[in-house]
Amino acid sequence: AQTVTQSQPEMSVQEAETVTLSCTYDTSESDYYLFWYKQPPSRQMILVIRQEAYKQQNATENRFSVNFQKAAKSFSLKISDSQLGDAAMYFCAPGSSNTGKLIFGQGTTLQVKP
Amino acid sequence: EAGVAQSPRYKIIEKRQSVAFWCNPISGHATLYWYQQILGQGPKLLIQFQNNGVVDDSQLPKDRFSAERLKGVDSTLKIQPAKLEDSAVYLCASTQGQGVIGGYTFGSGTRLTVV
Repeated sequence: AQTVTQSQPEMSVQEAETVTLSCTYDTSESDYYLFWYKQPPSRQMILVIRQEAYKQQNATENRFSVNFQKAAKSFSLKISDSQLGDAAMYFCAPGSSNTGKLIFGQGTTLQVKP
Repeated sequence: EAGVAQSPRYKIIEKRQSVAFWCNPISGHATLYWYQQILGQGPKLLIQFQNNGVVDDSQLPKDRFSAERLKGVDSTLKIQPAKLEDSAVYLCASTQGQGVIGGYTFGSGTRLTVV
């Protein structure tokens, strides 16, 4: 079984600054992927970044990067140069390569202050 | 490519009534998922289809919820009778295969309010 913990229900960042959202997970799977999704008030879940668990190199996508610590089962998201449009709820989600299922955390609401 | 289509966008019903949600995945996507997202929580998987077959429905409350994907394309999720605790956003997602390599593509969801 997989479990996901996002320990920060709410975070706040000043525009143009950097913020890190935390996520820890537990899984018995040997082959899995990790994702961060963004959900603005429109409810559309948008894929932000993905990480293959077998890769040591941390994924980067423009202003978004992850710090993946496989042994610690930690997968944090760093947002650099925060923009007002980054305000949303962010979900961490490990996914099984075997079953294809994504398990979501409880989410972190990010507020960006101008 | 067209995204995952869901309808209706909003629905308000009284408890004990029935309701149905519709989802049309991205063309060619074999796997379809229904998630329930209660306000302030993360989405929870209800059911997973591979083509027109059920892969996992272990979290689906089968006494009141049902889902089908008869031709392996679009899908319907039904609740009968609805309870107050069914108030949530119902999200549909699809992937090309069964794997999660590329992540899911989600629809915009249906917000259900049961009064």
